Amino acid sequence: AQRVTQPEKLLSVFKGAPVELKCNYSYSGSPELFWYVQYSRQRLQLLLRHISRESIKGFTADLNKGETSFHLKKPFAQEEDSAMYYCALGLYNTDKLIFGTGTRLQVFP
Amino acid sequence: DAGVTQSPTHLIKTRGQQVTLRCSPISGHKSVSWYQQVLGQGPQFIFQYYEKEERGRGNFPDRFSARQFPNYSSELNVNALLLGDSALYLCASSLSGTENSPLHFGNGTRLTVT
Repeated sequence: AQRVTQPEKLLSVFKGAPVELKCNYSYSGSPELFWYVQYSRQRLQLLLRHISRESIKGFTADLNKGETSFHLKKPFAQEEDSAMYYCALGLYNTDKLIFGTGTRLQVFP
Repeated sequence: DAGVTQSPTHLIKTRGQQVTLRCSPISGHKSVSWYQQVLGQGPQFIFQYYEKEERGRGNFPDRFSARQFPNYSSELNVNALLLGDSALYLCASSLSGTENSPLHFGNGTRLTVT
């Protein structure tokens, strides 16, 4: 079965602290993984995707097929990073995404 | 670029009624997908349409239907509304309709069924 698990509903850190938002997936095929973010009063938007292997707003995520994980990391959190973060699994040749339940990141000053 | 636009923004309906939600994709995008987001959950896939043909369907009852028009805009219809249909309905568009082009989401339509 295709599934995405985000074990933490809420993650609270202080500004400047490292952040790791956990994501595990279950998929028998070759996974295409994404992180989407929703800032307060804004629409859901793509943060990064594993195939791009890029850093966006200081965030990175590495696909670990052995552990079936795609954790999102940032070495130094900023207050503006406070948002809802969703990990999502993309299925081959479709726009179908399997989303996790999301993790709310709160960064305190 | 106007982004993905959805209408209406909010809607209140009574159990048993029918509702139509509308979505206009980003100019040039040929794929439109619909997602349902219940409070406290991630979005759940309902439909994808590409070039006016259904490309995928999620695990939703036949009360849910959709279509895509020649200008690539789309409508989502829900018949015989249930209280459990109360949710945020998100529309997303993409260029190629595959996992290779990112999804762009609209702001959603908040449906409340009483």
